[in-house]
Amino acid sequence: AQSVTQPDIHITVSEGASLELRCNYSYGATPYLFWYVQSPGQGLQLLLKYFSGDTLVQGIKGFEAEFKRSQSSFNLRKPSVHWSDAAEYFCAVGSIKAAGNKLTFGGGTRVLVKP
Amino acid sequence: DTGVSQNPRHKITKRGQNVTFRCDPISEHNRLYWYRQTLGQGPEFLTYFQNEAQLEKSRLLSDRFSAERPKGSFSTLEIQRTEQGDSAMYLCASSSSGTPYEQYFGPGTRLTVT
Repeated sequence: AQSVTQPDIHITVSEGASLELRCNYSYGATPYLFWYVQSPGQGLQLLLKYFSGDTLVQGIKGFEAEFKRSQSSFNLRKPSVHWSDAAEYFCAVGSIKAAGNKLTFGGGTRVLVKP
Repeated sequence: DTGVSQNPRHKITKRGQNVTFRCDPISEHNRLYWYRQTLGQGPEFLTYFQNEAQLEKSRLLSDRFSAERPKGSFSTLEIQRTEQGDSAMYLCASSSSGTPYEQYFGPGTRLTVT
């Protein structure tokens, strides 16, 4: 069965500093990988996705993520965070074999941004 | 395109009562998903529809839960005889069968069972 681990429950970063959120997945084949962001009272918004090809993917809001097959990782990065980036971030994996292409989510990482 | 909408946004109910939530997907999307998110956790898959057909249900979906999508448009999720453990955020998402992984989520319905 596929699974996703986000080792960091909380991360605090200063505004303007760089951010990296870790994601490790377990899946037998090449997975489809996603990062979503959830702000308080809001639904999940898709930041970026990886299906195949270039292992460095660009997303919205200045985020990027890198797929590393050897490490089973898909870490999310942003060079310079803004106060509006304070939110909860979820990594998810999808499987072409899973009926309905359902997503399996990690537990999330809450990002706090200090002024 | 107004996105995925869910009603109500919040529901407080007493244990043992029945509740029903509604999800209106993006109009051209034929797939609709329900997920449950408890505090401090990521969303967990409950069930999904392709058009009006319910094609998969998670083990999490006990017999007290039922979901419908009668005309392949909006969907309802009903919980009968609610328990305190049902307290969670219930999220709906939709996608097209051509891009099934691009799931667009609604704001969710937060259920509190007292």
